[in-house]
Amino acid sequence: LAKTTQPISMDSYEGQEVNITCSHNNIATNDYITWYQQFPSQGPRFIIQGYKTKVTNEVASLFIPADRKSSTLSLPRVSLSDTAVYYCLVGLSKGGYNKLIFGAGTRLAVHP
Amino acid sequence: DGGITQSPKYLFRKEGQNVTLSCEQNLNHDAMYWYRQDPGQGLRLIYYSQIVNDFQKGDIAEGYSVSREKKESFPLTVTSAQKNPTAFYLCASRGVVGQETQYFGPGTRLLVL
Repeated sequence: LAKTTQPISMDSYEGQEVNITCSHNNIATNDYITWYQQFPSQGPRFIIQGYKTKVTNEVASLFIPADRKSSTLSLPRVSLSDTAVYYCLVGLSKGGYNKLIFGAGTRLAVHP
Repeated sequence: DGGITQSPKYLFRKEGQNVTLSCEQNLNHDAMYWYRQDPGQGLRLIYYSQIVNDFQKGDIAEGYSVSREKKESFPLTVTSAQKNPTAFYLCASRGVVGQETQYFGPGTRLLVL
């Protein structure tokens, strides 16, 4: 299963765009890239998932270059409520069993 | 409304005692998972089950046991053999092929008295 590397922490201010980059050099051909958000004492919440190029939903965008060795989660115009830990994971494959490997994640702090 | 429920929210264990954490889902998902999270750390997989009456050890299964008698339920027992059980326990489920995302419950915090 591919290992991911992401920054331990990031700081931002309300209204700014935040980009969190994740490195996954050993990603397999069938692996998807998934991001979760976790608030203290809560279960992780699914944010977005993609395989290649760009995926956008109502809360975030996910940019994946052609070699798929990294990905960037983009949060537009963050607010204080976006302060959380963000996890990047790979290893989810269509049609096959998967187990998620969580690293320590990126702690995002949004300041007024 | 659909989702995953875990109970209790807080659980206290005495020395030498076995305790069971409940996880129920009404999403009709086949696969279910248990994770442990320590402060400031990511999640680590304890056990997982792909179908009823089948389960597999994860990365840190020692001191834990599970059962999967019903599709909706995947209880986790923390046995007295688990010497450091204080942690936040999370249950998750995942649907059939084509539904790759895991959905998590609210968690149970286990504390040792």
